[in-house]
Amino acid sequence: EPEVTQTPSHQVTQMGQEVILRCVPISNHLYFYWYRQILGQKVEFLVSFYNNEISEKSEIFDDQFSVERPDGSNFTLKIRSTKLEDSAMYFCASSEALWPYQPQHFGDGTRLSIL
Amino acid sequence: DAKTTQPNSMESNEEEPVHLPCNHSTISGTDYIHWYRQLPSQGPEYVIHGLTSNVNNRMASLAIAEDRKSSTLILHRATLRDAAVYYCIHNQGGKLIFGQGTELSVKP
Repeated sequence: EPEVTQTPSHQVTQMGQEVILRCVPISNHLYFYWYRQILGQKVEFLVSFYNNEISEKSEIFDDQFSVERPDGSNFTLKIRSTKLEDSAMYFCASSEALWPYQPQHFGDGTRLSIL
Repeated sequence: DAKTTQPNSMESNEEEPVHLPCNHSTISGTDYIHWYRQLPSQGPEYVIHGLTSNVNNRMASLAIAEDRKSSTLILHRATLRDAAVYYCIHNQGGKLIFGQGTELSVKP
């Protein structure tokens, strides 16, 4: 069964550094998402992306965050200047369509640790 | 944002059925009801979704109340692998708003 893959599985970065998290969505999917989960807390929506544009973003997704689909297969999340509070699991997801409802398929995440 | 209410935790015995309840009294007429689960150290995993009618798939069944203000996820025979946090979500597509979910533990 096709799956969403994320790399790296664990990223350790110094505070203030830039970090790029990478995702390969399922190949025929058109909608892409990033979520994060701080340890012990809920999964939180960050951003959705369709047709090379951000469709929706949360309050968390401020100017320090950006997303890109640099080629036909990868979907990246960049954090420009990391803060300690950015430490979390980051999950990428993709779906075939929005309507009628198609489920989102998640990767196993990248654990981001900011020192 | 859409709000659901679930018990914090539930316990089940292996090979017995499990009924996981969810209240979604603010649901609107076109919101789907989705269930996802998150196994330890993994990303969320889609389980099932429905709009008005009861739904079955290979993983579970979804029973939706006639007024759509509540639903129940049914695992017909719980296995140890079903131990996870189960999330009930309602929206019209797009972003998923996760609550705290129900942590299901399965005893052998």
